[in-house]
Amino acid sequence: GAGVSQTPSNKVTEKGKYVELRCDPISGHTALYWYRQSLGQGPEFLIYFQGTGAADDSGLPNDRFFAVRPEGSVSTLKIQRTERGDSAVYLCASSLSRNNEQFFGPGTRLTVL
Amino acid sequence: AQSVTQLGSHVSVSEGALVLLRCNYSSSVPPYLFWYVQYPNQGLQLLLKYTTGATLVKGINGFEAEFKKSETSFHLTKPSAHMSDAAEYFCAVSEPNDMRFGAGTRLTVKP
Repeated sequence: GAGVSQTPSNKVTEKGKYVELRCDPISGHTALYWYRQSLGQGPEFLIYFQGTGAADDSGLPNDRFFAVRPEGSVSTLKIQRTERGDSAVYLCASSLSRNNEQFFGPGTRLTVL
Repeated sequence: AQSVTQLGSHVSVSEGALVLLRCNYSSSVPPYLFWYVQYPNQGLQLLLKYTTGATLVKGINGFEAEFKKSETSFHLTKPSAHMSDAAEYFCAVSEPNDMRFGAGTRLTVKP
């Protein structure tokens, strides 16, 4: 079956612009996670959804970052007023439920010029 | 909160040699522990995981890891390295709502 997909695969934007990154999880997976991976670092937790609700958003770095999952499937990570420091690969993962194996998407590489 | 430390950002071994990638964790509750591999330009792939039960866990591609509570360690090993094992390896610890990753270890395999 299809794995986790993320679009776009690459996104180049200018400082101050707004971006949306999309994640399509594996069908039937209720848990969805967003991570940010900077160069030479491990993935850094941003937010976790259980169904439609954000069960834990403690990893979001500031209020410019926001994520939604309105129907409990597709999720969108939104970044307002982007800064150069936001440049990273944004990873999405899904799992059947919390503490089950997380399946990762290929990521979206965001570059803020 | 839980955390993970991977000792050695780069490890280089010869083909056929033992692979040992070190991981130490801290967790306030009994942890779930994972090793993921990331090949160039690909997503993270699960190698193996420890949840409960047997402390020696076998994964894909001949890798295994042993959970040692007394040492708070979960080191990854493989008896004989292959060229195809060259990749970035991440150790991770999970508590109920999120997973924390180590900084990663890049494995290089020399012919």
